[in-house]
Amino acid sequence: ETGVTQTPRHLVMGMTNKKSLKCEQHLGHNAMYWYKQSAKKPLELMFVYNFKEQTENNSVPSRFSPECPNSSHLFLHLHTLQPEDSALYLCASSQDRSGGGNEQFFGPGTRLTVL
Amino acid sequence: SQKIEQNSEALNIQEGKTATLTCNYTNYSPAYLQWYRQDPGRGPVFLLLIRENEKEKRKERLKVTFDTTLKQSLFHITASQPADSATYLCALDQAGTALIFGKGTTLSVSS
Repeated sequence: ETGVTQTPRHLVMGMTNKKSLKCEQHLGHNAMYWYKQSAKKPLELMFVYNFKEQTENNSVPSRFSPECPNSSHLFLHLHTLQPEDSALYLCASSQDRSGGGNEQFFGPGTRLTVL
Repeated sequence: SQKIEQNSEALNIQEGKTATLTCNYTNYSPAYLQWYRQDPGRGPVFLLLIRENEKEKRKERLKVTFDTTLKQSLFHITASQPADSATYLCALDQAGTALIFGKGTTLSVSS
């Protein structure tokens, strides 16, 4: 497979469930990102990892917990979510975070619905 | 306060015409500006990047301009086709920080 893949593509969970989103990139990139996209809102950056180290956490509630075991894989662990957390969760990667001018490659997203 | 605005939420044009989308920003100093296309239920796809010292960039039917004095970027699609219908996102790229995305403009091209 090429590019950035995400699983699952759709997820419905109750507020007390624990689930995980998975992202994998086959591009040899060093930086990976989690974004949240809600209707009528711009993409919201959640977390950034560069060379497996977390470099940004945009005041994301602790019910979202990222994990980056290596440069190719990124997880988002979900626990005790709220209905307002329902959104499209997008993973992206780029060559690295330094210098700017790096295009980002996005996965297809996970459509999350919290009941 | 810092703002990034894309001129309209929706733009409807006829096939063959040129679509012009606007991205304005305040209180940012981007070194680059990027444009992405997003289809419903899919992730954004990178289209073009323009540097602050470049006035214009072209790629096939796409043209982007970047005016750092006006704090504005224009995105043009010439000879538009129904397949160009999608949401287009601009993103400010300040070196060393994360991309800042606009809300997007949804373009509909009718035949």
